[in-house]
Amino acid sequence: AQSVTQLDSHVSVSEGTPVLLRCNYSSSYSPSLFWYVQHPNKGLQLLLKYTSAATLVKGINGFEAEFKKSETSFHLTKPSAHMSDAAEYFCVVSDNYGQNFVFGPGTRLSVLP
Amino acid sequence: EAGVAQSPRYKIIEKRQSVAFWCNPISGHATLYWYQQILGQGPKLLIQFQNNGVVDDSQLPKDRFSAERLKGVDSTLKIQPAKLEDSAVYLCASSLNIYTQYFGPGTRLTVL
Repeated sequence: AQSVTQLDSHVSVSEGTPVLLRCNYSSSYSPSLFWYVQHPNKGLQLLLKYTSAATLVKGINGFEAEFKKSETSFHLTKPSAHMSDAAEYFCVVSDNYGQNFVFGPGTRLSVLP
Repeated sequence: EAGVAQSPRYKIIEKRQSVAFWCNPISGHATLYWYQQILGQGPKLLIQFQNNGVVDDSQLPKDRFSAERLKGVDSTLKIQPAKLEDSAVYLCASSLNIYTQYFGPGTRLTVL
């Protein structure tokens, strides 16, 4: 069985400061990991994915995440937040065969001017 | 390139009624997914199709939910009869490879 824990339901940062959204996972096998973003009234969009290649993964809009097997973590970071980053972020785990997708509960990111 | 299309966008029904949702994936995408997203929660995978075969339906409440994907293209998800707890956004997604899913705008279902 697989599960995802997103440690913060809400994160608030000031524009121009770093962003850290935390994700821990549990998996019976080597996982694939993803971050998706959901802006209000818009569809879910893939930010980045880890699929057993490089452990530091770069995504769109300046986001990146690091896979740490020993810590079972896949935290999402960005050096400098923009107002447009305000959205709901979901960490997702799957197996390596493209099955058993499990979404975390989400973290709402607020960016203050 | 056209995205994933879903209809209707909104639906309000009484409990015990039936409802159906339609999804048209991106052209050429063999894999299609249906998710249920209850307010304040992450999406939950209901069913995954590869072409017109079911890959995973372990979380589909089969006593009331059904889904089909005829000819490996469009798909419909049906609820019969609906319960209050089925109120949610139903998301359809498609993918060309096993890693990147493209999501539609969703259908918001309200059961009264």
